[in-house]
Amino acid sequence: SQQGEEDPQALSIQEGENATMNCSYKTSINNLQWYRQNSGRGLVHLILIRSNEREKHSGRLRVTLDTSKKSSSLLITASRAADTASYFCATDAEQGAQKLVFGQGTRLTINP
Amino acid sequence: DAGVIQSPRHEVTEMGQEVTLRCKPISGHNSLFWYRQTMMRGLELLIYFNNNVPIDDSGMPEDRFSAKMPNASFSTLKIQPSEPRDSAVYFCASSLRQEPDTQYFGPGTRLTVL
Repeated sequence: SQQGEEDPQALSIQEGENATMNCSYKTSINNLQWYRQNSGRGLVHLILIRSNEREKHSGRLRVTLDTSKKSSSLLITASRAADTASYFCATDAEQGAQKLVFGQGTRLTINP
Repeated sequence: DAGVIQSPRHEVTEMGQEVTLRCKPISGHNSLFWYRQTMMRGLELLIYFNNNVPIDDSGMPEDRFSAKMPNASFSTLKIQPSEPRDSAVYFCASSLRQEPDTQYFGPGTRLTVL
């Protein structure tokens, strides 16, 4: 089944640095979403990018989408300790389908 | 505004016992999703409902699992009998069923089956 795969699985950086996470998927999609999960909590939606968009910004977040390579990246600029969390990409299971398929996630640690 | 509410937050039970997990979606949302999260398998969709009707239960592992949504404000996920391999965090999420659809997750129920 289609599934987003995040890379790297874990990332540790210093506060203030930028963090980049990548996601690859297998089949055509309508949308790709990024979610954050703090330890012991539920997932929180961060940003959505449509298949006809190449780049999107929200605060310190920048998402890119390359449908030809079936990949997306999430950039967090000027990282903060509070950004420590796991980050997941999610794609529609089938193009246009309501249900989502989540990747395994990237565990991001921001060191003070 | 209250988010998605799940209960209990933690459940410890013995193998063979029945377990019932509960979820109250965000008021006005008409889609509800049940997920299971484990280290080995990640986040898996078990079942989802639109307007209280089950749409896709292909992720339900086996007959021991069942889910109901008797009304727009309540859903249950039942495991009977429970097994140690069911130990996981179970999440409920709801959405407005829009295109594109954004899901709002509850805090999860951590289930441990001994």
